[in-house]
Amino acid sequence: AQSVTQLDSQVPVFEEAPVELRCNYSSSVSVYLFWYVQYPNQGLQLLLKYLSGSTLVKGINGFEAEFNKSQTSFHLRKPSVHISDTAEYFCAVSDRQAGTALIFGKGTTLSVSS
Amino acid sequence: NAGVTQTPKFQVLKTGQSMTLQCAQDMNHEYMSWYRQDPGMGLRLIHYSVGAGITDQGEVPNGYNVSRSTTEDFPLRLLSAAPSQTSVYFCASSRGRYQETQYFGPGTRLLVL
Repeated sequence: AQSVTQLDSQVPVFEEAPVELRCNYSSSVSVYLFWYVQYPNQGLQLLLKYLSGSTLVKGINGFEAEFNKSQTSFHLRKPSVHISDTAEYFCAVSDRQAGTALIFGKGTTLSVSS
Repeated sequence: NAGVTQTPKFQVLKTGQSMTLQCAQDMNHEYMSWYRQDPGMGLRLIHYSVGAGITDQGEVPNGYNVSRSTTEDFPLRLLSAAPSQTSVYFCASSRGRYQETQYFGPGTRLLVL
């Protein structure tokens, strides 16, 4: 069965520092990969997604992620974070071949302090 | 467009009570789904629908019922509430099931005593 592992449950960083949130998924022939963000007391919204093509995907708010098929990873990065990036980040995968839609990881809480 | 709306925002129930969580979308999306969010567990799929009249179970369906009589609405029914159903519930909709962006509602916080 498809699964998603977010390797860090909490990531504390200082403002303007770079950050990487790590995500691994179980191997499959064809997957679609997503990062969603949840600000406090809100629903989730899409940051970016990988469907096919270029392995480097750019999203909103300066975030980007790289799809690495050999390592079955989809890590999220931002070169310089702001206080407003404090939120919970979810990696998710859909596997059309397996018939599973949007399996979420357990989330990573990014805390940005000054 | 209002997007995905959910009511109520908060609810307190006693064990054994039943209730319906409402979800509506105005984007003419075929695919709708219900998730529950628990601390340290991420989001887990309860039920989903690929169109009016078609529903199916997700990962954690026990204790919940759904129906989809219209494209717009996808209510979630708790048949006999249990403390284990204390959670935050999110409804989502999208044009398709696998590669399309899912749009989430603001959530319903449910406490079962």
